[in-house]
Amino acid sequence: EAGVTQSPTHLIKTRGQQATLRCSPISGHTSVYWYQQALGLGLQFLLWYDEGEERNRGNFPPRFSGRQFPNYSSELNVNALELEDSALYLCASSLEGPYEQYFGPGTRLTVT
Amino acid sequence: EDQVTQSPEALRLQEGESSSLNCSYTVSGLRGLFWYRQDPGKGPEFLFTLYSAGEEKEKERLKATLTKKESFLHITAPKPEDSATYLCAVRPGGYQKVTFGTGTKLQVIP
Repeated sequence: EAGVTQSPTHLIKTRGQQATLRCSPISGHTSVYWYQQALGLGLQFLLWYDEGEERNRGNFPPRFSGRQFPNYSSELNVNALELEDSALYLCASSLEGPYEQYFGPGTRLTVT
Repeated sequence: EDQVTQSPEALRLQEGESSSLNCSYTVSGLRGLFWYRQDPGKGPEFLFTLYSAGEEKEKERLKATLTKKESFLHITAPKPEDSATYLCAVRPGGYQKVTFGTGTKLQVIP
């Protein structure tokens, strides 16, 4: 069974630009989560989508946004990139309910 | 607000030296507690889900246990390949987000 996939693997952007990160969940999973992990730090919750709806949002500014498509894949957009946005962005998926999340390999975003 | 505290922050063991990692939590209505393993630069790998106090799960050299206030990840006779950061997370009820701890970085020396 295919796991969670993310693209691109690496992304290099300049301050002020926009970045788009993509995630495909495990087949049958309807919930998708996004996390930010800065180097050497813990997971910071960004967004949670289920059945196309935003269910919860972490303490991040509005320039972090996303959406979930009818096929349950998801997109994270980061506008007006800042140097401190450089991090590993992780996507996870799960069945709806109190079930474990399965993570993808992440997208390494570098802002210069 | 839900809180997850993991201890110790870092642990260095000799190969074969058993030990335990601690995850203390405060959550309104625990629906599930999860353990993950994360290698540097990679996504966390799911290990266990525990749902109620008294529950135990085992996988190879790892055993996870749960009480009403904390969870332990016991590592028996660890090997160097067990070196990683171990993360604990809790899921409350409803559409409340999963809260992750900051992890315990385990190093097993040959």
